Amino acid sequence: DGGITQSPKYLFRKEGQNVTLSCEQNLNHDAMYWYRQDPGQGLRLIYYSQIVNDFQKGDIAEGYSVSREKKESFPLTVTSAQKNPTAFYLCASRLSSWAYEQYFGPGTRLTVT
Amino acid sequence: GQQLNQSPQSMFIQEGEDVSMNCTSSSIFNTWLWYKQDPGEGPVLLIALYKAGELTSNGRLTAQFGITRKDSFLNISASIPSDVGIYFCAGQLNNYGQNFVFGPGTRLSVLP
Repeated sequence: DGGITQSPKYLFRKEGQNVTLSCEQNLNHDAMYWYRQDPGQGLRLIYYSQIVNDFQKGDIAEGYSVSREKKESFPLTVTSAQKNPTAFYLCASRLSSWAYEQYFGPGTRLTVT
Repeated sequence: GQQLNQSPQSMFIQEGEDVSMNCTSSSIFNTWLWYKQDPGEGPVLLIALYKAGELTSNGRLTAQFGITRKDSFLNISASIPSDVGIYFCAGQLNNYGQNFVFGPGTRLSVLP
C-alpha cells in the first residue's frame, strides 16, 4: 500500500533533549511538509521541501530543523530551543509543489515534560 | 500570512440531519481542498475543487467552489455517527507551487 508513515505514534521526552520525528512516503512525491497542530487550532507550517536536498522554512521554523537527503524521507528534529514543543506533528506530501492534492500521515504526538 | 475562516466553529446535530459548513477568505484561491480529521489521526482528503462554481460529490458529501473564488462550502447529507470529527478546508492562492493555507476547522458532533 502506498502512503505516508510517521513514527512513533507517541513520543515522550524530557525538557532540554532534542528529538527526531520520522516521516517516510512511498508515493514517489517530490514535495514534503511538516505541520504542527495545537488543540483547537489549524495547521501551522514548520518546514517544507519541494525536492531532494532542498528545504525552506515555513511560518514557525524556530526551534526546528529538517533534512531531505532522500526523496522518501523528511525527518523533523525538535530542538531544545523550541519553547513549547508539546504538540501533534503532521507530515504531508504532494506529487510536486505544483500538484493540487496534498496527503497527510497519521501524525506523531510529542509530549515534553 | 493568509487566513481562512471556517464556520461554524462547532456544531451538534442529530443523526440523519444534513450539515452545511463553509470556508471563507479575503483572497482569491485557485484550489480548495476539504479534509476530515478523526481524533488523534491525520487529516484525510475528502474532496478537491479546481475551478470556480465547481460542484463535486463524494458519497454523502458535496463541496462547492464559490463563484467569487473566495469561499467554499461542504455539505453532508443524512449524517451518521462516523461523521464525527473535525473538517478542515485548505486553499491554494495560485497554481504555481504555492503552499496550502488551512482553516481552523469545524468540529462536528452527531447525536444518536
